[in-house]
Amino acid sequence: QQQVKQSPQSLIVQKGGISIINCAYENTAFDYFPWYQQFPGKGPALLIAIRPDVSEKKEGRFTISFNKSAKQFSLHIMDSQPGDSATYFCAASPSGNTPLVFGKGTRLSVIA
Amino acid sequence: DTGVSQNPRHKITKRGQNVTFRCDPISEHNRLYWYRQTLGQGPEFLTYFQNEAQLEKSRLLSDRFSAERPKGSFSTLEIQRTEQGDSAMYLCASSLANVGTEAFFGQGTRLTVV
Repeated sequence: QQQVKQSPQSLIVQKGGISIINCAYENTAFDYFPWYQQFPGKGPALLIAIRPDVSEKKEGRFTISFNKSAKQFSLHIMDSQPGDSATYFCAASPSGNTPLVFGKGTRLSVIA
Repeated sequence: DTGVSQNPRHKITKRGQNVTFRCDPISEHNRLYWYRQTLGQGPEFLTYFQNEAQLEKSRLLSDRFSAERPKGSFSTLEIQRTEQGDSAMYLCASSLANVGTEAFFGQGTRLTVV
C-alpha cells in the first residue's frame, strides 16, 4: 500500500518556466513533509520541508503548498533552470525524526 | 567531508554470497536509518537506530538482512545468501533525535547481484 502518491512521473519544462509536482498522502498521522532532490549516482538531498501548521513555505525559487483538508502538498520551482534537472521525491513522516515514506519520484527535465 | 559516508560505493557479488555495507553518520547524529532504492522508485525504509538500539525494522527486512550499530557510531548492513532481487542502491541517512530535524543521506552503496 503506497502511502504517498506522487505525480507526474516525469516532467519537461522550458527554462524559466514553473515546475509543479504534486503529492497526496493517506496517513493523517503524518505531520512532516519534506521534498528531496536526487541527481544520478547521488543520495537524496533535502530541498525544503513543511509542517501542517502552515499552508505555504518558500525558500528561494522553491515553494511548498500544503492543503491539510485535501491531504495534498506540492512543490513549485519558479524560474526553472537546466541545473534543476533531477529526480524529486516527496516524503512524509509522523514527525521529523522518524522514518520517511517516500513517493515514487518525478524526473524533471528543464530544457533551454 | 563531514557528511554521511558509505562504503563501498559499488559492490558486485555472485548470487548466494554474503555482503556487508558500512555507514558512518554525521558525528553528532544519534539516529541512523537504512533505506533501499530500486531503479525508478523512491527510497524504502529498512531499519533505524537511536544510538546502538535498533528501534524499528520494516517487513521488507527479511531474515537474510541484519543491521548493527554496535557503539552507536557507524553501522553495518549485512545481506546473507544474496539474491538477484537484492540488487538495489542501499542508502544510509542520519539525523538528530529532535523532532523536526533533517535527515542527511549518504551517496549510497549500489549492489549488483549476478
